[in-house]
Amino acid sequence: ETGVTQTPRHLVMGMTNKKSLKCEQHLGHNAMYWYKQSAKKPLELMFVYSLEERVENNSVPSRFSPECPNSSHLFLHLHTLQPEDSALYLCASSHQQGLNYEQYFGPGTRLTVT
Amino acid sequence: DAKTTQPPSMDCAEGRAANLPCNHSTISGNEYVYWYRQIHSQGPQYIIHGLKNNETNEMASLIITEDRKSSTLILPHATLRDTAVYYCIVRVPESGANSKLTFGKGITLSVRP
Repeated sequence: ETGVTQTPRHLVMGMTNKKSLKCEQHLGHNAMYWYKQSAKKPLELMFVYSLEERVENNSVPSRFSPECPNSSHLFLHLHTLQPEDSALYLCASSHQQGLNYEQYFGPGTRLTVT
Repeated sequence: DAKTTQPPSMDCAEGRAANLPCNHSTISGNEYVYWYRQIHSQGPQYIIHGLKNNETNEMASLIITEDRKSSTLILPHATLRDTAVYYCIVRVPESGANSKLTFGKGITLSVRP
């Protein structure tokens, strides 16, 4: 499945670093999402973008900054992270309109904060 | 979204049918039942969804009871690659921000050779 791609697949960063996660969808969708999955925990929704506008911020700390320049791309900018931010970060997309609202997920970026 | 309850784990033999149960006793009339799965270290994958009729696609079948308070996902011929965490979610399919999914702990299916 290559409809939603994420880069990098693995990232190790120090607490003082700045890095960005990238997500790209090739499905013609116009809603995109960031989820966080920590070890032994369910997926947690972080951000929702609809037609390139952020429509939901699920109480995410400001050290995570999303950006959606167009309907195909979604970024998550990271700065001054904490070790507890180590997790699998998943991007997803879906149609905004119509009957098919299924979300399609990317493979995720495994982030380790040292 | 209505809450769902799933057993934490189950296993089945390769080649046999895997029947994964889900209870959603507080489901409302306009909520659909969705199933996703997540293979280890990968993103979740949509499997199937339904409202009240049984549904079948190339991956699985979804059986919803007449009162809609429970459902069963059936993988007709389980393979080792079906080993994953399976999530049952009930929600109203809406656009934009309301399309968010709320994942529970899911059920871990282990397919044994």
